[in-house]
Amino acid sequence: QSVLTQPPSASGTPGQRVTISCSGNNSNIGGNYVSWYQKVPGTAPKLLIYRNNQRPSGVPDRFSGSKFGTSASLAISGLRSEDEADYYCASWDEILNGVVFGGGTKLTVL
Amino acid sequence: QVHLVESGGGVVQPGTSLRLSCAASGFSFRDYGMHWVRQAPDKGLDWLGVIWHDGTNEFYAESVKGRFTISRDNPKNRLYLQMDSLRVDDTGIYYCATDPKPYSGYDSPGGGWGQGTVVIVSS
Repeated sequence: QSVLTQPPSASGTPGQRVTISCSGNNSNIGGNYVSWYQKVPGTAPKLLIYRNNQRPSGVPDRFSGSKFGTSASLAISGLRSEDEADYYCASWDEILNGVVFGGGTKLTVL
Repeated sequence: QVHLVESGGGVVQPGTSLRLSCAASGFSFRDYGMHWVRQAPDKGLDWLGVIWHDGTNEFYAESVKGRFTISRDNPKNRLYLQMDSLRVDDTGIYYCATDPKPYSGYDSPGGGWGQGTVVIVSS
């Protein structure tokens, strides 16, 4: 049972916009930054969003992040087949004194 | 260009120890906090711990607190993970990762990740 809650799966067709949610509480998302990662089997995690809505250089602007209260969302627009992967949110938790990850969302491009 | 290379993984028996290493290059290692994250087979990402840029603070996940110790050698651009009392459920791919910014403090892993090293704990 992960501290941050994500839907286990999401799907969309090429060109569509999909969103993935991440729900926490005041000790993590509510008071700290949220990051998002893309994980393809056999490769290292890739940072997509940090500090709620900041994109590292090299990450396409099709990926965007937002945070509202104790929840956050990752939006992927113009969906492509290569976006098929697992997506994880993470945040610092002030009570646990550490980073907590969501359980991950498997994105399928139909 | 951040470059991280983990090493030291292998197959070990339960109850034994293992020390992982992460060699860093391409950035100012001494300015960045560093994390260890693992992924067990068919499971999600699992944060293990972080050490601040200057080594003054370390934080650990409850699952490894008291068994795992993170350290760093800034002059050698090296990060370490000492793992003691290993258990079968410690099996997985272990990644080192940077903070997202210099002197980040309380933050999730950033954009620099190694390719991972495999640890298998089995009798």
